[in-house]
Amino acid sequence: GESVGLHLPTLSVQEGDNSIINCAYSNSASDYFIWYKQESGKGPQFIIDIRSNMDKRQGQRVTVLLNKTVKHLSLQIAATQPGDSAVYFCAEIEPGYALNFGKGTSLLVTP
Amino acid sequence: EAGVTQSPTHLIKTRGQQATLRCSPISGHTSVYWYQQALGLGLQFLLWYDEGEERNRGNFPPRFSGRQFPNYSSELNVNALELEDSALYLCASSLQGAFEQYFGPGTRLTVT
Repeated sequence: GESVGLHLPTLSVQEGDNSIINCAYSNSASDYFIWYKQESGKGPQFIIDIRSNMDKRQGQRVTVLLNKTVKHLSLQIAATQPGDSAVYFCAEIEPGYALNFGKGTSLLVTP
Repeated sequence: EAGVTQSPTHLIKTRGQQATLRCSPISGHTSVYWYQQALGLGLQFLLWYDEGEERNRGNFPPRFSGRQFPNYSSELNVNALELEDSALYLCASSLQGAFEQYFGPGTRLTVT
């Protein structure tokens, strides 16, 4: 079965608010995770990654949090903008360098 | 720096035919990965090539195959096409041994 999943299939936020997208994983041995953004008609775009020896990693307007105790991953986007509207996927690396993707969360930013 | 490129953008085939999809990795990347993104099924891992060899394979039938060329570009071949093969086929590349994978824009394959 699928080991990576997302709690919310859709998320609607107002421009300027912060967004939080959640992801659960089942393999406690997973040691590397990536968040991707996919806009309509495009391939997934790398946003940020985190290794299992970290709890938090920050990028430009994005923060990824990893809670290994409950096997939960989240992506926080600060001051969400219309250009952030897309589908967001979390993925975990499996043996053999295969990425196991969740089903995705659609983020809609309203003015 | 150029990203991962894929061709063609769109491909229309009829059931039973063969499809060939092409991918050029980011310069300096030696690993190429193929994923299928079918409607309602999410992204599923197909194949991983590194240094010209197939290193890993996802849960797909043997009619999905590919190869990697000496310049690290790759092609994916799908034989005996079935309607359910209609999907967006995504190629990604990475540095050897690196986990970060960078995706191309994909090839939309439609089987009629």
